[in-house]
Amino acid sequence: QKEVEQNSGPLSVPEGAIASLNCTYSDRGSQSFFWYRQYSGKSPELIMFIYSNGDKEDGRFTAQLNKASQYVSLLIRDSQPSDSATYLCAVTGGFKTIFGAGTRLFVKA
Amino acid sequence: DAGITQSPRHKVTETGTPVTLRCHQTENHRYMYWYRQDPGHGLRLIHYSYGVKDTDKGEVSDGYSVSRSKTEDFLLTLESATSSQTSVYFCATTGVDTQPYEQYFGPGTRLTVT
Repeated sequence: QKEVEQNSGPLSVPEGAIASLNCTYSDRGSQSFFWYRQYSGKSPELIMFIYSNGDKEDGRFTAQLNKASQYVSLLIRDSQPSDSATYLCAVTGGFKTIFGAGTRLFVKA
Repeated sequence: DAGITQSPRHKVTETGTPVTLRCHQTENHRYMYWYRQDPGHGLRLIHYSYGVKDTDKGEVSDGYSVSRSKTEDFLLTLESATSSQTSVYFCATTGVDTQPYEQYFGPGTRLTVT
């Protein structure tokens, strides 16, 4: 059974701090890795993807991938109250995607 | 954003009745997916389609069937609804044949089975 594990949280950080979200996956054949953000009552929306080892930066977001450790992370710099949401880690090894259960992030103003 | 709509958005039904949920996309995306989302479980794949009339099972397909007669429409049917199928159902599409296979989601359908 292929799995994607995330700490369910909630992760609480003050406004302006760095939020660090982590994810591990079980399938070594996984090829693409995603972070989706989901606000309460809404559908998931893609914020980052990565498929090479290392870091990928997009604005305040940085995704980090370590395939040897089967570990993906998302850093959110200068966290804002509007970043408060559930963040879903997702892993793809083809046309099917396995999602983690999500980490709830709360940014305190 | 991919133009994905789901209908109905909310439904309450009784145990034992059949229910059909519809996903409609305007992006001509080849791949379409049905997920259910429950607290503590994240998104779990029910069925997916890789083309018209081409479908396959996901990890939680028991009690569900799907059909895709046109590129733009993907129907999910609960053959005889049970209380365990109370959930939020999301349709998603992927438009590319190569990495990274990012998915675009519809707004969701909240289904309650009483």
